[in-house]
Amino acid sequence: GDSVTQMEGPVTLSEEAFLTINCTYTATGYPSLFWYVQYPGEGLQLLLKATKADDKGSNKGFEATYRKETTSFHLEKGSVQVSDSAVYFCALSYFSGNTGKLIFGQGTTLQVKP
Amino acid sequence: DTEVTQTPKHLVMGMTNKKSLKCEQHMGHRAMYWYKQKAKKPPELMFVYSYEKLSINESVPSRFSPECPNSSLLNLHLHALQPEDSALYLCASAPDLGSEAFFGQGTRLTVV
Repeated sequence: GDSVTQMEGPVTLSEEAFLTINCTYTATGYPSLFWYVQYPGEGLQLLLKATKADDKGSNKGFEATYRKETTSFHLEKGSVQVSDSAVYFCALSYFSGNTGKLIFGQGTTLQVKP
Repeated sequence: DTEVTQTPKHLVMGMTNKKSLKCEQHMGHRAMYWYKQKAKKPPELMFVYSYEKLSINESVPSRFSPECPNSSLLNLHLHALQPEDSALYLCASAPDLGSEAFFGQGTRLTVV
């Protein structure tokens, strides 16, 4: 079935370092792909999305490109801040018959130190 | 308005209690979801509603009972819960099934 695999964390970086969080997916169709962020004690916030191959989603300095050939959607940011410390979830849209849902990866915890 | 509002934010209930969680959105979204999230885990899908009809029930125990009174409201009725049901319960809505979902802040539920 459809699934999402994320790199294990936690990822610990110093402020202003470059961030990459890997995400690969398995899907039978052509899903949309998403990155969500969850700050401590809060719900999930949509960070960015891409709906078709070669689309680049971007928001707040974060970027991810939908790569069909490598079935990947890696999250990148050029210079992280302490305020970026959170859990990041990669997700894909799944459709079956007349219903659908989001399928999430396991999440990657990012810790940014001053 | 891009908000999904969940009430209450925190809930402590005994194993014999009956309580309800409420979720509201005014974005005109046609899909609404309930998720359960344990600490350091991804959200687990419980129920999906599409056009106010139950679309997916992920084999959730009957002590959880969803209700969608109208297109803006989603409730989750709780009865005879167990301590292992303690978790963060998240509601989300989306324009359509499988499109980007917008989450509420969640209800932190503790069963004692």
